[in-house]
Amino acid sequence: GQQVMQIPQYQHVQEGEDFTTYCNSSTTLSNIQWYKQRPGGHPVFLIQLVKSGEVKKQKRLTFQFGEAKKNSSLHITATQTTDVGTYFCAGKDDKIIFGKGTRLHILP
Amino acid sequence: DTGVSQDPRHKITKRGQNVTFRCDPISEHNRLYWYRQTLGQGPEFLTYFQNEAQLEKSRLLSDRFSAERPKGSFSTLEIQRTEQGDSAMYLCASSKTSSGELFFGEGSRLTVL
Repeated sequence: GQQVMQIPQYQHVQEGEDFTTYCNSSTTLSNIQWYKQRPGGHPVFLIQLVKSGEVKKQKRLTFQFGEAKKNSSLHITATQTTDVGTYFCAGKDDKIIFGKGTRLHILP
Repeated sequence: DTGVSQDPRHKITKRGQNVTFRCDPISEHNRLYWYRQTLGQGPEFLTYFQNEAQLEKSRLLSDRFSAERPKGSFSTLEIQRTEQGDSAMYLCASSKTSSGELFFGEGSRLTVL
């Protein structure tokens, strides 16, 4: 069945450093979505990528969708304390399947 | 509030009891998903609906779990004969289209004693 794998599981960075999380699917995806979940909260949609090789930016966040539409990445430049949380990729084949997430800790 | 609402927010029950959760999606959202999330894990797919039709149920889900969306609006998730391993946050999400973003509710936290 469809599986979405995400690495790393945890990432500790100093405030101001960059952060990247990677996502891989066992199947070709029609699109990939990224969500952020703050501690104690529910997942909140960040962005959706649809096209092969697509790159989208949201301020300090850069999202990429692989050429084969099976992998994706999220890169945060110059992390801030407000970036703390868990970042999930979610791959859509038919249903939407989430990765296990990458928990980002910011060290002041 | 026009977001996704879930009820109850918290449920504590004894092993062997039945529990039912309700989800009211955003109006006119056709897709409705149920996920289960435990501490430190991602949302685990349980089942999803397109209007009133249940399109898929996770193979990992035992027969004790059942979900309905009778009129294509609200949905219920019932767990029969609860076990301690059922303790988790049960999340409901809806989307306007089959490929659209998911809007999550606050979740229903289940504790089985």
